[in-house]
Amino acid sequence: GQQVMQIPQYQHVQEGEDFTTYCNSSTTLSNIQWYKQRPGGHPVFLIQLVKSGEVKKQKRLTFQFGEAKKNSSLHITATQTTDVGTYFCAGPLIQGAQKLVFGQGTRLTINP
Amino acid sequence: GAGVSQSPSNKVTEKGKDVELRCDPISGHTALYWYRQSLGQGLEFLIYFQGNSAPDKSGLPSDRFSAERTGGSVSTLTIQRTQQEDSAVYLCASSLGQYEAFFGQGTRLTVV
Repeated sequence: GQQVMQIPQYQHVQEGEDFTTYCNSSTTLSNIQWYKQRPGGHPVFLIQLVKSGEVKKQKRLTFQFGEAKKNSSLHITATQTTDVGTYFCAGPLIQGAQKLVFGQGTRLTINP
Repeated sequence: GAGVSQSPSNKVTEKGKDVELRCDPISGHTALYWYRQSLGQGLEFLIYFQGNSAPDKSGLPSDRFSAERTGGSVSTLTIQRTQQEDSAVYLCASSLGQYEAFFGQGTRLTVV
């Protein structure tokens, strides 16, 4: 079925190491969104990418949208303990539809 | 209100009892989602409302689960004859179409 897949499911890093999570869709997306959920919290919107090949940066976070608009990545440079949490991607899977479908998330833990 | 409001924040109920969880979305948001999240797990989609369209109920795990959205605003998720496996955090989110989703703080349901 139509879905959004994220890998890895879990990632444990040493503080200061880089981290990347990947999001793959079975269909072309009109946009891709990324969310962060801190432990004990709720998902909070980080960013939206719309254009093919788009790259956006937020401090140590770099977001990319693939050329075919079917995949995306979130890269964190030099992780800090504040980066701990689960990162979700989401997008509308069906052309013209508005329902957002969320990936299963990548849970990041960090060894200080 | 300023954000998505969910009530109650915590609910402890006895097995077999019915529960109602409430979500007040952001005013004007056309889309409303319900998700279930077990400890350390991803977002399990339950139901999606979009405007006046028929809701997407494809994620409801059994016929014990139902949801309504009255007047395009407030939504209630009802779980009948609760079971211990229903224990989880229930998250509500609203959005303007396919754009940024805003999540509530969730209702933590414990079935004893």
